[in-house]
Amino acid sequence: KAGVTQTPRYLIKTRGQQVTLSCSPISGHRSVSWYQQTPGQGLQFLFEYFSETQRNKGNFPGRFSGRQFSNSRSEMNVSTLELGDSALYLCASSRDRVAYGYTFGSGTRLTVV
Amino acid sequence: AQSVSQHNHHVILSEAASLELGCNYSYGGTVNLFWYVQYPGQHLQLLLKYFSGDPLVKGIKGFEAEFIKSKFSFNLRKPSVQWSDTAEYFCAVNGGNQGGKLIFGQGTELSVKP
Repeated sequence: KAGVTQTPRYLIKTRGQQVTLSCSPISGHRSVSWYQQTPGQGLQFLFEYFSETQRNKGNFPGRFSGRQFSNSRSEMNVSTLELGDSALYLCASSRDRVAYGYTFGSGTRLTVV
Repeated sequence: AQSVSQHNHHVILSEAASLELGCNYSYGGTVNLFWYVQYPGQHLQLLLKYFSGDPLVKGIKGFEAEFIKSKFSFNLRKPSVQWSDTAEYFCAVNGGNQGGKLIFGQGTELSVKP
């Protein structure tokens, strides 16, 4: 079966711009979570969506936002990009929040210049 | 606040050696525990998970982990590693009332010499 699909795979943006990343979960999965992975901070939780509602949010500024659509696809948006936002952004999906474990996508590599 | 500590940043072993990667967590309530692996150039994959029951859980590729509640630990083990086990390993914790939020450790890079 198809895995978690994230688009685009790579992205280069300029400081001050905004960016939207997309995540298509595995069919039948209703929970989507987002993580930021950097060499210095490791994997940090951004937010979790379930049934189109944000259920959990990590300690990131309000420039980071997301949403989930009725087909469970999710997008995250980062406005007013900063150099420190350069990272690998990972999306993970699960059938029903934690219980089944999360399947991760390959990520979107964002570089801010 | 929840936190996860992985003791070793980089472990180097020869093939057939035994592996144990340490993971300690800080959380006061019920926890769900996970080990994920990230092979070079690939995405994170779930190795094993613990929710309840037998504290010794078995995962894929011969890995197992033991939950010791009194020590707040969830160490990963494999009796005999292979070159193909070279990867980065992440321990993660989910608090029972935290929904889908995973707190990850910093990761342990494992290099297996053929």
